[in-house]
Amino acid sequence: SQQGEEDPQALSIQEGENATMNCSYKTSINNLQWYRQNSGRGLVHLILIRSNEREKHSGRLRVTLDTSKKSSSLLITASRAADTASYFCATVNSGGSNYKLTFGKGTLLTVNP
Amino acid sequence: DAGVIQSPRHEVTEMGQEVTLRCKPISGHNSLFWYRQTMMRGLELLIYFNNNVPIDDSGMPEDRFSAKMPNASFSTLKIQPSEPRDSAVYFCASSYGTGETEAFFGQGTRLTVV
Repeated sequence: SQQGEEDPQALSIQEGENATMNCSYKTSINNLQWYRQNSGRGLVHLILIRSNEREKHSGRLRVTLDTSKKSSSLLITASRAADTASYFCATVNSGGSNYKLTFGKGTLLTVNP
Repeated sequence: DAGVIQSPRHEVTEMGQEVTLRCKPISGHNSLFWYRQTMMRGLELLIYFNNNVPIDDSGMPEDRFSAKMPNASFSTLKIQPSEPRDSAVYFCASSYGTGETEAFFGQGTRLTVV
């Protein structure tokens, strides 16, 4: 079953604009991760944010986490055509010894040159 | 390291045949995940191993699916007998620890059952 749900399902922007994708989840988490998938390829890890962190940056990426709302957002600044891909959030649940990594259905981002 | 290696990259088989997908995780990683990706259902976690032991197989769709990890460097996902609805891309991923770090994905096996 899916833990995270991304919003929107699809996003189309112009090169140079910022792209924001959101993720909501249902249960308490140990951490939340964002991945990117180019068409026909495997997923590539972008950034991990722990449950006690509120914001994290990596290059043009900014991730926020609001555990009270059970939501996260991924912001890509100054987008490029090469950023065109599907973006997924994934959660690792807290509690117990089961640290399985479950994914949402993703947001398809298209950056038009 | 060459990353997570999956084989074959593509598999076309007839309904009723046995299919075996293979995965070699990154050396030193002790967690291994098998996922199935379809347009309709997205990325589904099938089974998760830690230190070669299956921890959670609640995502395995039915008894036709089985997975093994005989040692730290090899895992298989077997479907017997295969059905057209099993057609999907199957990914293997590995990580170090128990969920605190990033997972590395293989390139996937695209399975088509006709």
